[in-house]
Amino acid sequence: AQTVTQSQPEMSVQEAETVTLSCTYDTSENNYYLFWYKQPPSRQMILVIRQEAYKQQNATENRFSVNFQKAAKSFSLKISDSQLGDTAMYFCAFMETGTYKYIFGTGTRLKVLA
Amino acid sequence: EAQVTQNPRYLITVTGKKLTVTCSQNMNHEYMSWYRQDPGLGLRQIYYSMNVEVTDKGDVPEGYKVSRKEKRNFPLILESPSPNQTSLYFCASSLSRDRGTGELFFGEGSRLTVL
Repeated sequence: AQTVTQSQPEMSVQEAETVTLSCTYDTSENNYYLFWYKQPPSRQMILVIRQEAYKQQNATENRFSVNFQKAAKSFSLKISDSQLGDTAMYFCAFMETGTYKYIFGTGTRLKVLA
Repeated sequence: EAQVTQNPRYLITVTGKKLTVTCSQNMNHEYMSWYRQDPGLGLRQIYYSMNVEVTDKGDVPEGYKVSRKEKRNFPLILESPSPNQTSLYFCASSLSRDRGTGELFFGEGSRLTVL
């Protein structure tokens, strides 16, 4: 069965600094997507970034980028120039493309300090 | 505006009193799913539906029912709620695997308390 592990329950970072959130997953599938979702205090779940497993190039969205290591089954999120609005819970998620079954990690609560 | 709408947003009920949480999307998405979020456990999938009349169990389906009679609606039914179903519930939708990228569009969540 697929699993997603986020080993950092809480993290903090100073405003304008860079922080990396870690995520590892386990699967025997070859075709899948990986995601990072953000959940601010408003509770709304928002997609941050998406990576397709067959693409070797790491995805980037403005200040957000990933380090995707397929062989190691690792999918970390780097936030550059952290802003107060980045304060949120971040969830790593795996989706197997054949079944559309989604597995989420337990989340990392990030606090950006002024 | 493209959105996923859940109702009610907040509900306090008592053990055994049947309730339904509605979910509706206006994006013509084939895929819809329900999750519960509990502290320290992240989001866990309850049920999902690949299209009308097609539903499948997720990781935690016990105590829940769903139906998908129309493409836009995917209600979650708790026939006999118990206190361990106290949780934050999310409905989400997505395009099919043939048309989409797997991105989930979430509703705003429904906070359910069972006394």
